[in-house]
This record gives sequence, structure tokens and C-alpha cells, in this order.
Amino acid sequence: GEDVEQSLFLSVREGDSSVINCTYTDSSSTYLYWYKQEPGAGLQLLTYIFSNMDMKQDQRLTVLLNKKDKHLSLRIADTQTGDSAIYFCAETLTGANNLFFGTGTRLTVIP
Amino acid sequence: DGGITQSPKYLFRKEGQNVTLSCEQNLNHDAMYWYRQDPGQGLRLIYYSQIVNDFQKGDIAEGYSVSREKKESFPLTVTSAQKNPTAFYLCATSKVGPVRDGYTFGSGTRLTVV
Repeated sequence: GEDVEQSLFLSVREGDSSVINCTYTDSSSTYLYWYKQEPGAGLQLLTYIFSNMDMKQDQRLTVLLNKKDKHLSLRIADTQTGDSAIYFCAETLTGANNLFFGTGTRLTVIP
Repeated sequence: DGGITQSPKYLFRKEGQNVTLSCEQNLNHDAMYWYRQDPGQGLRLIYYSQIVNDFQKGDIAEGYSVSREKKESFPLTVTSAQKNPTAFYLCATSKVGPVRDGYTFGSGTRLTVV
């Protein structure tokens, strides 16, 4: 449950869609999360998905979960400059209280 | 408003000194956590506590100490044994049990050794 991987950087143009990817290795994940961290600040929970779901949509955010491939993604529609931040995926396992975080993806939005 | 208060926001330490970072919460959460963040390395767990007067080491506990005398407070001491303490430190809280709501994070303390 401790191998959660993300690519380090992503750049997109303002108005385009952003897709941030995450892979995990533990098949007993129960909840998976996406957090956003703005410069010099703490992490803010954006959304979460339960492991028996394939997709969750919340306004501009769409989370896709592929349990077979252990792949989680976060799509941000109509990306804005205010979306520039580091995005962390995280998982929690059945019976566990701790979250395991990925390394974070730094999203840069180009005006 | 319920939340987590970390203080100070910036802290400077001379080599050989111990310093204590404060984390206070009024969310009535049982579990509290300390993470260290270095550029490009994500979050690393230092210590966590799920109940008053009890805590467990995380992945990088060496050179750090904690106490949990009250539910609301989980201070972190960075001792002189920590050889490379310059980092951003984050405190988080959660309910104990299936953590559907995830963690709530404080705004962090940036520690610099001078």
C-alpha cells in the first residue's frame, strides 16, 4: 500500500483539459483521494472515490478509477491559472487508518 | 470555524538547537499526524497518534519527538539529532476508523536551519 506513483510535472494551456495520473500497487485500497496544494500552504481535499466506483464527477473534476490496472486519474476541465498547484493522490487500505500519498504532480497552467 | 492551527508559519533554528512546532485542532478528531515535505519527495510520515497519551513512529521518526497530552494538541520537537531539518512540516488530523473523509491539513510550518 505504500507504492503510489505519479509523474512529477504537467503543463497545459489555459482552457484545455488537464489529466493527472496515479498508479498504486495495493489491490485492497478502499478509498482513493485527490488533494491540491497551493504554494506555501497545506493540502486541501478535492475529492475522493470509493474503490467499488469507476467514476465520480464534481463540477470541473472527473475522477476515473481502473481497479484492474490500479490506475487513478483526475481530469480538470477548462483548466484555469488558479488550478496551478501540486496535486497528490492518496489511498487508504481495508482496515487501515493511514493514508499513503503519491509524490505529487506539479501542474503549471500557461496563460 | 473548526480547523487546524500550526505555528509558527516560519521558524529559524541554529544548528544544535531543539525547536518545537505547534499543532492545535478543534475538529474533535482523534487521530493526528506529522509529515515532512521536501521538494520532489512528496510527504513522509514522521509520527502519528490515534489516542491521547499514545503515538507511533512513522517512516522517518529519527531525530524527532512528539507528545499527545491533550486531544487537541500534538506538538513536534525537532531535536539536534535531526541532521537535515530544513523542510516544510505539515500537521494533519482525521477521524479514526474508515477514513472516508481523508485527512484535514494545517497550513504548515517552514523550518530553516541557519
